[in-house]
Amino acid sequence: DGGITQSPKYLFRKEGQNVTLSCEQNLNHDAMYWYRQDPGQGLRLIYYSQIVNDFQKGDIAEGYSVSREKKESFPLTVTSAQKNPTAFYLCASNGHTIGAYQPQHFGDGTRLSIL
Amino acid sequence: KQEVTQIPAALSVPEGENLVLNCSFTDSAIYNLQWFRQDPGKGLTSLLLIQSSQREQTSGRLNASLDKSSGRSTLYIAASQPGDSATYLCAGGGSNYKLTFGKGTLLTVNP
Repeated sequence: DGGITQSPKYLFRKEGQNVTLSCEQNLNHDAMYWYRQDPGQGLRLIYYSQIVNDFQKGDIAEGYSVSREKKESFPLTVTSAQKNPTAFYLCASNGHTIGAYQPQHFGDGTRLSIL
Repeated sequence: KQEVTQIPAALSVPEGENLVLNCSFTDSAIYNLQWFRQDPGKGLTSLLLIQSSQREQTSGRLNASLDKSSGRSTLYIAASQPGDSATYLCAGGGSNYKLTFGKGTLLTVNP
């Protein structure tokens, strides 16, 4: 079955440590996205990529970094510069069709906490 | 900058009731409007997507409408069931494929 796989499901970060969240999709989608969700809040866009080897900052990119070396993979690194990283992180993807927007498909998320 | 608001924040109804969830957006130059469902601790599941040229979409017991001139979308759920209990989020799409999300409506359907 096609879908998006996020790992790990739970992640703990120590002070001053960088951690990387994995996102893999087998839907052959061109575009991939990373969102952050805090309790009682909507999703906020961190980074997005519309094509391999290219990505753009979203609304809250500070303290995060990404890479897009393969179409299937879009890992997110939460750096030590992100002072409030505790949140639920969601990865999404969608295809691009001329003239019609395609729905975004989501993974099951990674919950990041501070030790 | 697009802002999306969902009212009410929470809704509790008895099983079998028809209900409407509301979503409003500030920028009428919207490219699409998407409704999602989120179960606790899970990712989002796409329910319905309305392109900017469309007025509504239907899937089973769900019907979503889009009125760009008034900046509103509604999600209608017919004959609600306990399994419909979840958080429902709407999101407006811009020209750069980015989505702006509302904070969601927590729906509880009581047996």
